[in-house]
Amino acid sequence: IVLTQFPATLSLSPGERATLSCRASQNIDNYLAWYQHKPGQAPRLLISDAFNRATGIPARFSGRGSGTDFTLTISSLEPEDFAFYYCQHRYNWPQAFGQGTKVEL
Amino acid sequence: EVHLEESGGGLVQPGGSLRLSCAASGFNFGTYWMSWVRQAPGKGLEWVANINEAGFQKYYADSVKGRFTISRDNADNSLDLHMNSLRAEDTAVYYCARDLRGKDHWGQGTQVTVSS
Repeated sequence: IVLTQFPATLSLSPGERATLSCRASQNIDNYLAWYQHKPGQAPRLLISDAFNRATGIPARFSGRGSGTDFTLTISSLEPEDFAFYYCQHRYNWPQAFGQGTKVEL
Repeated sequence: EVHLEESGGGLVQPGGSLRLSCAASGFNFGTYWMSWVRQAPGKGLEWVANINEAGFQKYYADSVKGRFTISRDNADNSLDLHMNSLRAEDTAVYYCARDLRGKDHWGQGTQVTVSS
């Protein structure tokens, strides 16, 4: 299963809404997670099972979708949200990550 | 507090071997799947391997199958990745992660460089 993320880069300003997409090459039900990754840091789980926010993740992060099409929305960008974002499926083996979306200022 | 700390990275020649370790603390290690994930320079995250709670189920990315072996010692709260026949394209930061319905805790990573 291949995950395709788009756009590759999203250029936005603080306060704006960010919508990131992830498309699976076949049905993965809702077995999709989203991660935030900043250079030099460990990745951070944002969303599991398509829409469940992980512990401590702010409400401005939301996920939706099922089957093959998924979105991560950041309702109002904070300065600390500028980072790389990855989707990842656990529907079957091998697991896989998408190639990532960079949210830049 | 959950804590994962990788060790064992370094510089190795092509064809060489390396063993990475991940020390876990702050949770009941033996009740969680564990993962290795890597990031090559300038690239995205790549899933490498997973192991189940008891260590009997192991899954690998095609890129490392037959060369890497994931293992764990629940008595010692440790996770290993044995890497053989290393190639230049294995150069990456390697992360261990706890795996539940997503990889909810990660270590800071250890750098592996494969070069002559």
